[in-house]
Amino acid sequence: AQSVTQLDSQVPVFEEAPVELRCNYSSSVSVYLFWYVQYPNQGLQLLLKYLSGSTLVESINGFEAEFNKSQTSFHLRKPSVHISDTAEYFCAVTQGAGGGADGLTFGKGTHLIIQP
Amino acid sequence: DTAVSQTPKYLVTQMGNDKSIKCEQNLGHDTMYWYKQDSKKFLKIMFSYNNKELIINETVPNRFSPKSPDKAHLNLHINSLELGDSAVYFCASSPASLDTEAFFGQGTRLTVV
Repeated sequence: AQSVTQLDSQVPVFEEAPVELRCNYSSSVSVYLFWYVQYPNQGLQLLLKYLSGSTLVESINGFEAEFNKSQTSFHLRKPSVHISDTAEYFCAVTQGAGGGADGLTFGKGTHLIIQP
Repeated sequence: DTAVSQTPKYLVTQMGNDKSIKCEQNLGHDTMYWYKQDSKKFLKIMFSYNNKELIINETVPNRFSPKSPDKAHLNLHINSLELGDSAVYFCASSPASLDTEAFFGQGTRLTVV
């Protein structure tokens, strides 16, 4: 069984300030890790993913996340946030085996609130 | 063109009714899923379906049943709707190996009154 813990349900940040959204996972096997973003009244969009290789992964809109196997973490960071980053952020994990039958296990989400 | 599309986007219905939500993907993926997002925004998988193999989350009531007429469609039927079924339901799809991400539809907001 696997689980994901997002330690902060809500993170208020001033515009142009840096932010870190924390994610820890638990799994007995190797995993793939994802961050999804949900803007108000919209579906889920992939922000970035770790499958293998470099432990630091980046998105096109300035977010990055680092896979830390020893700490079982996949924290999301952005050096300077914008009002448009206001959204719900979900960390998710799935097992490395093929088939994907178990789907994604999600954390409870972190609401990022950008204050002007 | 939308990769994963769901209809309807909003659904308001009375307790006890039976309703369906449709999902179609044009990505050629082998696996499709239904997820439920509750009022606290928590997402949980309900079903996955891959080449006629159905994996059911054991916590899902048997009033919920997925039906797949073909590889590109996975519809969700709900019988005898209850107030607690009110939620946003997301359809998703992924390639068989899942060494890539899942693609989500825009969601269907179901309100049972």
